[in-house]
Amino acid sequence: EVQLVQSGAEVKKPGESLKISCKASGYRFTSQWVVWVRQMPGKGLECMGIVFPGDSETRYSPSFQGQVTISADESINTAYLQWSSLKASDTAMYYCATYSESLGLDVWGQGTTVSVSS
Amino acid sequence: EIVMTQSPATLSVSPGERATLSCRASQSISTKLAWYQQRPGQAPRLLIYGASTRATGIPARFSGSGSGTEFTLTISSLQSEDFALYYCQEYNNWPLYTFGPGTKLDIK
Repeated sequence: EVQLVQSGAEVKKPGESLKISCKASGYRFTSQWVVWVRQMPGKGLECMGIVFPGDSETRYSPSFQGQVTISADESINTAYLQWSSLKASDTAMYYCATYSESLGLDVWGQGTTVSVSS
Repeated sequence: EIVMTQSPATLSVSPGERATLSCRASQSISTKLAWYQQRPGQAPRLLIYGASTRATGIPARFSGSGSGTEFTLTISSLQSEDFALYYCQEYNNWPLYTFGPGTKLDIK
């Protein structure tokens, strides 16, 4: 069974750094893109960026370029989303999902809640 | 940038009835259109990809149609578990792969 299991909820202060994870199982991790999606409280879904673990190619949506870093470690089948300096506006639910050109975003992680408040 | 719109924003339908949700793209996306269902407190789930193909495990009461700029998701006989949020998404044009704003399907 293809599964993405994300790390647990985080409570942080503005200015702190954070790295959340998405561990894949049940498929060849290096052969499929992983997307990160943001959902702010009560709002819709936004694609932040994608990574291809096979060669670590990464692409960002313009709104998120320079704001976050997306990476992957193929040795442990895990993708990451990280911030160097969190803002209150980063408070949201973050999902990872597998992406393919034919299927779209077909398998989703359970989500990681990030709360940023002073 | 492709803009995705969905209508209506909220749809109230009785259980057992048919629901029809619409999605429009600001420019042609061929059939690179997916539909997702999101129940409260849950992650989104892929329902339809390629505009009309049901994802694995999705009941036959869900169907998708359309191409180019106009798309429809139809749920033929609503069950209690179908009352949720529905998003369309184009996946034809990186870097955005834009989602629509969603349609909330309510029990009438």
